[in-house]
Amino acid sequence: DAGVIQSPRHEVTEMGQEVTLRCKPISGHNSLFWYRQTMMRGLELLIYFNNNVPIDDSGMPEDRFSAKMPNASFSTLKIQPSEPRDSAVYFCASSFLAGGVQETQYFGPGTRLLVL
Amino acid sequence: GENVEQHPSTLSVQEGDSAVIKCTYSDSASNYFPWYKQELGKGPQLIIDIRSNVGEKKDQRIAVTLNKTAKHFSLHITETQPEDSAVYFCASRGENTGNQFYFGTGTSLTVIP
Repeated sequence: DAGVIQSPRHEVTEMGQEVTLRCKPISGHNSLFWYRQTMMRGLELLIYFNNNVPIDDSGMPEDRFSAKMPNASFSTLKIQPSEPRDSAVYFCASSFLAGGVQETQYFGPGTRLLVL
Repeated sequence: GENVEQHPSTLSVQEGDSAVIKCTYSDSASNYFPWYKQELGKGPQLIIDIRSNVGEKKDQRIAVTLNKTAKHFSLHITETQPEDSAVYFCASRGENTGNQFYFGTGTSLTVIP
């Protein structure tokens, strides 16, 4: 398996622009997570989906952030408009949920976002 | 919710020595504890995990121990090598929070050749 795939790997944009991050989970996994990692705050869970349905988005910083999962093999995290404080590494992770229990999460390589 | 604390935040050891990283958790219902290794520019990768029905698990130079009574678990790396240098994260998953993992703040390990 190719593992979790994220694109782009690096993104540099200017403040106010829209940013779209993409994720393809491991085939067969039915849960998907978006995390943000910064030096100050470490790994923060932004949102997660089970069977393509958003379950908990309490970690999403504000309305500028939105996430979708139109099917089992694709998810997007969008920031509109972007701000310099959004600069971070964004990780997507996937796992298999069975019987209400989440199995091990596998992380993608991350998208390094820099907002100027 | 669960609270996971990880210590130390940084650790330097000489090549060949052992390294130990400790984590504590607050939710007594937590039952699964993975450890992740994150190398520079990469995503966290699972290196070992332990479930609450065992006290210790070993995989070559890496071992994890769990003390459910004290609610802490530790990662042990023996015979450290320069390629062990990375940031290590512990995590926990609980019965009451079955869909979420809670991560420690990470330990930056440096193995000095």
